[in-house]
Amino acid sequence: ETGVTQSPTHLIKTRGQQVTLRCSSQSGHNTVSWYQQALGQGPQFIFQYYREEENGRGNFPPRFSGLQFPNYSSELNVNALELDDSALYLCASSPVLLDNEQFFGPGTRLTVL
Amino acid sequence: QKEVEQNSGPLSVPEGAIASLNCTYSDRGSQSFFWYRQYSGKSPELIMSIYSNGDKEDGRFTAQLNKASQYVSLLIRDSQPSDSATYLCAVPPGAGSYQLTFGKGTKLSVIP
Repeated sequence: ETGVTQSPTHLIKTRGQQVTLRCSSQSGHNTVSWYQQALGQGPQFIFQYYREEENGRGNFPPRFSGLQFPNYSSELNVNALELDDSALYLCASSPVLLDNEQFFGPGTRLTVL
Repeated sequence: QKEVEQNSGPLSVPEGAIASLNCTYSDRGSQSFFWYRQYSGKSPELIMSIYSNGDKEDGRFTAQLNKASQYVSLLIRDSQPSDSATYLCAVPPGAGSYQLTFGKGTKLSVIP
C-alpha cells in the first residue's frame, strides 16, 4: 500500500511569486485535505477536496486555491506569495468523506524570501 | 472560535516512566478525537483515535476521553527516548465536520 506522497520536498520563492504544490493520496483514499503548519504551531486547515469538488475551507484568503483530479491526486496553488506563507504544507488523505482519520504526507517546506 | 488547547511543554520524563499529555477542546459537539506524533522536521503521524468516553489502549499508548469535561489525554507507559517528539491533539469542530482543528502540541523529551 502506497502512502501519501508530496512534491517538491523543499521550495524557495520570492514575495509576489506563485507556487504549485502536489499531492498523491494514499491508495484507496478519495478525500484530500491541505494544512499549513507554521513553525511551533499545529497544522491549520486550508481546504478539503472530495470527488474533485472543494468540500470545505478554512480561514485562508482566495489566493490559496486547489484542485483534485480524477485519480484523487491534488494540487495547492498559492498566488502573490507573502513572507508569512513560509511554512510546512501538509497534504492528508482519508479513505471516505467525513472519516476524520487523516493520514499525512511528508510535507513541502516553502520558504518565501 | 473552536479551540483545542494543549500545554506546550516541554514535558521531560525519565526513561521507563509514564508520560501524561493533556488536551481540552471547546466544542461540545465534537465526536472524534485524535493524537498525532510529530518528530522534528517530519509530518504528523496518527497514533491514536478515540470516539467514546473512557479508555482506549494500544500497546504502550492509552487514550482517555471525558466528553463531559471536554478533556482528552494520552498516556505513554514505559517511555522510551524514541518517544521524544511533539504530540498533537486534533479534534473535528463539531459532529460531521470534515476538518481537524489541532492544538499547538506538547513537546515530550524522554531522558535516558
